[in-house]
Amino acid sequence: DQQVKQNSPSLSVQEGRISILNCDYTNSMFDYFLWYKKYPAEGPTFLISISSIKDKNEDGRFTVFLNKSAKHLSLHIVPSQPGDSAVYFCAASAWNNNDMRFGAGTRLTVKP
Amino acid sequence: DAGVIQSPRHEVTEMGQEVTLRCKPISGHDYLFWYRQTMMRGLELLIYFNNNVPIDDSGMPEDRFSAKMPNASFSTLKIQPSEPRDSAVYFCASSTKGGGTEAFFGQGTRLTVV
Repeated sequence: DQQVKQNSPSLSVQEGRISILNCDYTNSMFDYFLWYKKYPAEGPTFLISISSIKDKNEDGRFTVFLNKSAKHLSLHIVPSQPGDSAVYFCAASAWNNNDMRFGAGTRLTVKP
Repeated sequence: DAGVIQSPRHEVTEMGQEVTLRCKPISGHDYLFWYRQTMMRGLELLIYFNNNVPIDDSGMPEDRFSAKMPNASFSTLKIQPSEPRDSAVYFCASSTKGGGTEAFFGQGTRLTVV
């Protein structure tokens, strides 16, 4: 049962433009959401997170938006840079369950 | 801290052989997670431990898979016997608490079963 879904396996954008990565979840108990970035041959690294009490969290070029009613979150990268090219994983956890569930990932390619 | 350390980085084994993957979590982290990365399902949670105790192993695909955490600084994931469909990248991660915070990942073990 895939509780966290990333329906776009890949995304390609031009350098300087906005990248928008999307994530949907099915478990209404999820209250903490994270984005991880993964380069080839490396482990995922934490990028940004958001609690369910917020609808937006910003960190430099990265902003995560949460729409609880739609069970949807998105990661915006502005402006996109070639170094942002990686696989991005969306993850979620619930207050009453200590595990963390991940989506299948979206491969972002930023073209110079 | 050196971060989460996994060994080996690569493992090639023949079908039917036993495989043991190792993980050293970050010191002071009470939670340890084992994930498997596949193309279709992304990062699948296999099992996680809290204070060395297995809490949820519902993600372990079959009885061929087992995991242990004999102490706070070491965990193993064993596959016996291994099969070609077990070929994947296996990640270990640790965190200070289970939910509400980020987990730190090791570099992974790429397992190939031929």
